[in-house]
Amino acid sequence: DIQMTQSPSSLSASVGDRVTITCRASQSIATYLNWYQQKPGKAPKVLIYGASSLQSGVPSRFSGTGSGTDFTLTISSLQPEDFATYYCQQSYRAFMYTFGQGTKLEIK
Amino acid sequence: EVQLVESGGGLVQPGRSLRLSCSASGFTFDDYAMHWVRQAPGKGLEWVSGISWNSGTIGYADSVKGRFTISRDNAKNSLYLQMNSLRAGDTALYYCARAGTVGGFYYYMDVWGEGTTVTVSS
Repeated sequence: DIQMTQSPSSLSASVGDRVTITCRASQSIATYLNWYQQKPGKAPKVLIYGASSLQSGVPSRFSGTGSGTDFTLTISSLQPEDFATYYCQQSYRAFMYTFGQGTKLEIK
Repeated sequence: EVQLVESGGGLVQPGRSLRLSCSASGFTFDDYAMHWVRQAPGKGLEWVSGISWNSGTIGYADSVKGRFTISRDNAKNSLYLQMNSLRAGDTALYYCARAGTVGGFYYYMDVWGEGTTVTVSS
């Protein structure tokens, strides 16, 4: 199975900060990497698909880069509504998906 | 409105069975693959199972393989998860999710239900 490892597991930041979350795959997954945001008590929401494509309706302060095994999600200027937990997910192996363990972004 | 609504969760004893359902509306159900994702209390997301639009391709996480069965009925716009031999570790909120795609190349879960809670306890 493809393992996905995110870092850090938690992060404290302030409104206006630039934040980067990293996701590493245990084998190459090309650009079959998605990012999700989940707020407490809510279902996840897709932010980025294909490693770098912004889902419709998602603010442009979110961006994704990477290919192969190493990926990043960047929030260019944190807004109050961005404090949430973020997950990466590989879709390289059809119908054998895996998520990273999550990164909780908290207010400093 | 595009919507997924899960049902069928509840409290069940270890070793027993439960069947979850997901009712889809607002889109052409048989155009999409579908997935089940679960989240144990206070934990992260875990992909459980997925099924192609025509049920031709199915996959399971190792943690549920041999115990859970995914299926769909396109005529009823419904997705199912039959869960047998339930364990305490299966306790979670179970989400149904649609597999959105861009040109059949990239796949991602673009529509989610609110989830149904399964508690396995004696």
